[in-house]
Amino acid sequence: AQRVTQPEKLLSVFKGAPVELKCNYSYSGSPELFWYVQYSRQRLQLLLRHISRESIKGFTADLNKGETSFHLKKPFAQEEDSAMYYCALTTSGTYKYIFGTGTRLKVLA
Amino acid sequence: NAGVMQNPRHLVRRRGQEARLRCSPMKGHSHVYWYRQLPEEGLKFMVYLQKENIIDESGMPKERFSAEFPKEGPSILRIQQVVRGDSAAYFCASSPGQPGTSTDTQYFGPGTRLTVL
Repeated sequence: AQRVTQPEKLLSVFKGAPVELKCNYSYSGSPELFWYVQYSRQRLQLLLRHISRESIKGFTADLNKGETSFHLKKPFAQEEDSAMYYCALTTSGTYKYIFGTGTRLKVLA
Repeated sequence: NAGVMQNPRHLVRRRGQEARLRCSPMKGHSHVYWYRQLPEEGLKFMVYLQKENIIDESGMPKERFSAEFPKEGPSILRIQQVVRGDSAAYFCASSPGQPGTSTDTQYFGPGTRLTVL
């Protein structure tokens, strides 16, 4: 069965420090992976998807099929990055997004 | 475009009552998805609908739960005879295009928090 694992419930970093939010998945085929973000009192919104290969708000994520990972990275964290981050997976031919349990990122001043 | 709208935002029901959750997709979106989030868990897929059709309801409990997306009006998630275990946040998402296409990005509503007393 497909599964998405985000091992950290909470990640605290200081402003200006690098950030890496971990996401591992299990799926034997070719997945599509996403990162969604939920800022305080706002709705869940798409941050980036791996097929776009783009950087949004300084964040990047690379799909590593060998390690079945899709970690989210940013070289210098900012206070406004504090939010809940969810990794999600979908597979060709299905309609379901499978979400991880989320990681709360706190960027400290 | 106001985004995906869900109402009510908070709903309190007593055990045995019915809960009706509404979702208005973004303008021009004909694909609707419902997810449930239990405390300390990620969002779990429940059902995928297109206008007037249920495409995939494999994530929905077989009893007491139903969903519809009529030709006119919002999508409705209906829970009959609610139990305490139904207490959760229910999220709706919509997309303009078919899954697996370049227009399949899901846009989420703010959610409805259901509390069953």
